[in-house]
Amino acid sequence: EPEVTQTPSHQVTQMGQEVILRCVPISNHLYFYWYRQILGQKVEFLVSFYNNEISEKSEIFDDQFSVERPDGSNFTLKIRSTKLEDSAMYFCASRTGRAPSGNTIYFGEGSWLTVV
Amino acid sequence: GDSVTQMEGPVTLSEEACLTINCTYTATGYPSLFWYVQYPGEGLQLLLKATKADDKGSNKGFEATYRKETTSFHLEKGSVQVSDSAVYFCALTSVNQGGKLIFGQGTELSVKP
Repeated sequence: EPEVTQTPSHQVTQMGQEVILRCVPISNHLYFYWYRQILGQKVEFLVSFYNNEISEKSEIFDDQFSVERPDGSNFTLKIRSTKLEDSAMYFCASRTGRAPSGNTIYFGEGSWLTVV
Repeated sequence: GDSVTQMEGPVTLSEEACLTINCTYTATGYPSLFWYVQYPGEGLQLLLKATKADDKGSNKGFEATYRKETTSFHLEKGSVQVSDSAVYFCALTSVNQGGKLIFGQGTELSVKP
């Protein structure tokens, strides 16, 4: 069964460093998302991406964050200068957008980011 | 705005006990409703979904019915197993949300042998 894949599974980085989290969404999907989950808290929406541009972003997704789909398969989340409070599990997700189950979102296994 | 509220956890049950995890929602329009499960150390997996009122989603012995009159989507299982221990998230999506998911806070379930 097709799945969303994410790399790395775990990354430790120093405060102020840049981090890139990578995702390969399901191949025929058109809508892509990043969510994050701070340890023990709820899953929060960061950004959605469609047709090669951001379609919506949350308040969390400030100028330190950016997303890119550099080729036909990868979808990346970049954090330019990491802060301690960026430590979280980051989930990539995608959906097809086509009936009959176009609104069902599928998640990757997550990338656990630890900022020290 | 749209929101999802789940019962507080953790919920601790003995094996073969009945499970209900309450979920209520607030939404304008007609949302689709989902339950996701997160097993220890793993990502979010879709457990079941319902897209319109009175639909029942089911999977792996779990069920949830979309109740528009009570704006609820409670998760139920008749006999839980130790392997069901996980965090369960109720979520909604709607046209108003541009297709993105809004999650509840999650309910941790621990099943003891």
